[in-house]
Amino acid sequence: GAVVSQHPSRVICKSGTSVKIECRSLDFQATTMFWYRQFPKQSLMLMATSNEGSKATYEQGVEKDKFLINHASLTLSTLTVTSAHPEDSSFYICSARDARHEQYFGPGTRLTVT
Amino acid sequence: SQQGEEDPQALSIQEGENATMNCSYKTSINNLQWYRQNSGRGLVHLILIRSNEREKHSGRLRVTLDTSKKSSSLLITASRAADTASYFCATDATNAGKSTFGDGTTLTVKP
Repeated sequence: GAVVSQHPSRVICKSGTSVKIECRSLDFQATTMFWYRQFPKQSLMLMATSNEGSKATYEQGVEKDKFLINHASLTLSTLTVTSAHPEDSSFYICSARDARHEQYFGPGTRLTVT
Repeated sequence: SQQGEEDPQALSIQEGENATMNCSYKTSINNLQWYRQNSGRGLVHLILIRSNEREKHSGRLRVTLDTSKKSSSLLITASRAADTASYFCATDATNAGKSTFGDGTTLTVKP
């Protein structure tokens, strides 16, 4: 099946710094990628839809200036958490949609802000 | 907001028993997917069932879809301790262009 990778898998950063998370579709092109956030013992919440060559569409309540998304190519989307704070500590998961509209998820990135 | 709702929220069974989890959703869908997540780990895709399908099997897993009731069920037969995990349904809503997740069912299989 299709493979989606994320990098890094874990990151610890200090409060006030910015962190970039990469999501890559390894063996298919994805015009659409999605970013989800998951807090402990909770479900995945969609943050934004990332479209190649255009601006991301953010879900209600998600600050677009804090969570910068760039879909630079058909195989790469990045999420930058700017001026991170401890409450941003979470598990961030991306997914990529292929031409058949099937979604494949990355392994996730655990962000800890100290 | 989450489209899918799952029940039960938590399920505890003995090894060898069957486990059934249900997912209900609100709008028309293109497909519905079930995922497993072990504690602190990423998602593992289990099964995708399309809106024109009623049942799919994969090994010990059986998924049904009833679009008239807007519900799906995941049955795990002959459960094993290694099946202990959280299980989520994700619905790809028609014309929405995105998938949303249910709240999940936490399954504990006791050896």
